Amino acid sequence: AQSVSQHNHHVILSEAASLELGCNYSYGGTVNLFWYVQYPGQHLQLLLKYFSGDPLVKGIKGFEAEFIKSKFSFNLRKPSVQWSDTAEYFCAVLKYSGGGADGLTFGKGTHLIIQP
Amino acid sequence: DADVTQTPRNRITKTGKRIMLECSQTKGHDRMYWYRQDPGLGLRLIYYSFDVKDINKGEISDGYSVSRQAQAKFSLSLESAIPNQTALYFCATSAMTSGGTGELFFGEGSRLTVL
Repeated sequence: AQSVSQHNHHVILSEAASLELGCNYSYGGTVNLFWYVQYPGQHLQLLLKYFSGDPLVKGIKGFEAEFIKSKFSFNLRKPSVQWSDTAEYFCAVLKYSGGGADGLTFGKGTHLIIQP
Repeated sequence: DADVTQTPRNRITKTGKRIMLECSQTKGHDRMYWYRQDPGLGLRLIYYSFDVKDINKGEISDGYSVSRQAQAKFSLSLESAIPNQTALYFCATSAMTSGGTGELFFGEGSRLTVL
């Protein structure tokens, strides 16, 4: 079965530090890749997505992610984090099979805390 | 108004009671999903529907049932609620037709507590 692994369950950083959250998946076929963010008490919102083209994708709020097919990875980065980035971050994978695409499979999430 | 609306937003119930969570969407999407979120476990797929006549079990469908009453409505039922079904439940929609990428659009969530 396909799995999505997020390596860090809790990350604590100071403001202005650089961020990289790891995401790896196990499916070898065609995939679409997503990062979602969930601010405290809110629903999930899309940060960015990759489905074709340039493997370096840019999203909202200064986030970016790089798809490295050979490593089955889609790591999320931000050069300088802000206190308002405190949230839960989820990586998700949509895989394509012979019958089309199934639902998204999510990682277990990374809880990011930014200290002032 | 929200594009994906869930009711109720919060519910406390007792073991053995029947509970229905409702979801409606105005996005015109063909696909609808129910996920549950538990701390440390992320989101797990309960059921999904690609259209009104197509219902599929997800990763954790035991103890749940669904109904796709119309393209815009997808309800989740707990026939006999138990405490380990206490969780935050999310409805989501996506469009795979017309060049959709599978991006999910989430409702605000329904927090269910089973005592």
